Amino acid sequence: DAGVTQSPTHLIKTRGQQVTLRCSPKSGHDTVSWYQQALGQGPQFIFQYYEEEERQRGNFPDRFSGHQFPNYSSELNVNALLLGDSALYLCASSLRNQFYEQYFGPGTRLTVT
Amino acid sequence: GQQVMQIPQYQHVQEGEDFTTYCNSSTTLSNIQWYKQRPGGHPVFLIQLVKSGEVKKQKRLTFQFGEAKKNSSLHITATQTTDVGTYFCAGRTSGTYKYIFGTGTRLKVLA
Repeated sequence: DAGVTQSPTHLIKTRGQQVTLRCSPKSGHDTVSWYQQALGQGPQFIFQYYEEEERQRGNFPDRFSGHQFPNYSSELNVNALLLGDSALYLCASSLRNQFYEQYFGPGTRLTVT
Repeated sequence: GQQVMQIPQYQHVQEGEDFTTYCNSSTTLSNIQWYKQRPGGHPVFLIQLVKSGEVKKQKRLTFQFGEAKKNSSLHITATQTTDVGTYFCAGRTSGTYKYIFGTGTRLKVLA
């Protein structure tokens, strides 16, 4: 049973560029949440997708957008990258009920230069 | 906005000593989850607490949810080197889907 997978593992981008990160949820899970984790800090909630729609959004600008596909996989897009966007981006999958535990993927380490 | 703080930020203990981390929310929570993140790794779910005053145990780990559902604690008895990592609490308020992670407590165990 595959867990949550994310790609790519690492990514280096230049300020102003755009990036797309991908996530495949754990088998049987239908909900995907994205988090940003800066070095030495706790994960910060970006948004959550369920039934191909953004169900809730955290305190992140519109430069951050996402998508969920019919197979429940998801993408996170970040436009006009800033140096401050450098972080570990984590995808977490769960069942639709908010009382279920979240299973995190290994993350994508994004460096913006 | 809602904030979740954890203390201490760092804790160094000798192997065999006990360890406790405390989690405090600025708002009443519907439920709280605890995660462990090893250095270079990703958060791994440990447990979830839902009821006021709830206490749950997992081998050497004891988790508590406060009566007012605004605070929680994780206690590890007789720490081992395998307990090394950062422990996060993550709280959710009623009517929302998002979890607010705490600031984390980084545990180092000296052999």
